[in-house]
Amino acid sequence: QSVLTQPPSVSGAPGQRVTISCTGSSSNIGAGYDVHWYQQLPGTAPKLLIYGNSNRPSGIPDRFSGSKSDTSASLAITGLQAEDEADYYCQSYDSSLSGVVFGGGTKLTVL
Amino acid sequence: EVQLVESGGGLVQPGRSLRLSCAASGFTFDDYAMHWVRQVPGKGLEWVSGISWNSGTIDYADSVKGRFTISRDNAKNSLYLQMNSLRAEDTALYFCAKNSRYRDPIDAFDIWGQGTMVTVSS
Repeated sequence: QSVLTQPPSVSGAPGQRVTISCTGSSSNIGAGYDVHWYQQLPGTAPKLLIYGNSNRPSGIPDRFSGSKSDTSASLAITGLQAEDEADYYCQSYDSSLSGVVFGGGTKLTVL
Repeated sequence: EVQLVESGGGLVQPGRSLRLSCAASGFTFDDYAMHWVRQVPGKGLEWVSGISWNSGTIDYADSVKGRFTISRDNAKNSLYLQMNSLRAEDTALYFCAKNSRYRDPIDAFDIWGQGTMVTVSS
């Protein structure tokens, strides 16, 4: 059971918009710790997609956006493309555990 | 090119030890905290341990506390994970990852290695 809760799967057709939620608690997201998002394509290492809740690293298209509110965060992907099919993970810090925590991951399927 | 390359994985019997290494290049290693993250094939990511730029702050996941030791050698641009008393549930692909923010102990992980596989089995 992950400290951060994500839906196991989401899906959408090409061109559509999907969102992935990440629900935490008062000891992590709700305590003000930043949320970061990663994309993991099959057989590869995770890649940083969003840092500091809503910032995109260089090279990440603006189709990807992040937001945070209270004890949860969301990743939105607009204009879905076939190459977006991957696993997505949220990450934050938990003060009760004194460590980094990840969500359980969400598999995005592009129909 | 900014790069992290892990090594040292393999097949090991339960109760034995293994030492993982991560060689960094392309950035000023001693300016950034570093972490180990593991992933059971087909499962999610699990943070294992992190060490600050000067080794002054070290944290572990409860699942490895007392058994694993993280360390770094800034002169050699290298990160290590000493794993003792290994269990079957430690079987995973182990990634090393670089903290994104200068001298911040905890932040996003902007660079990841390709991982080294550890299999604990008799």
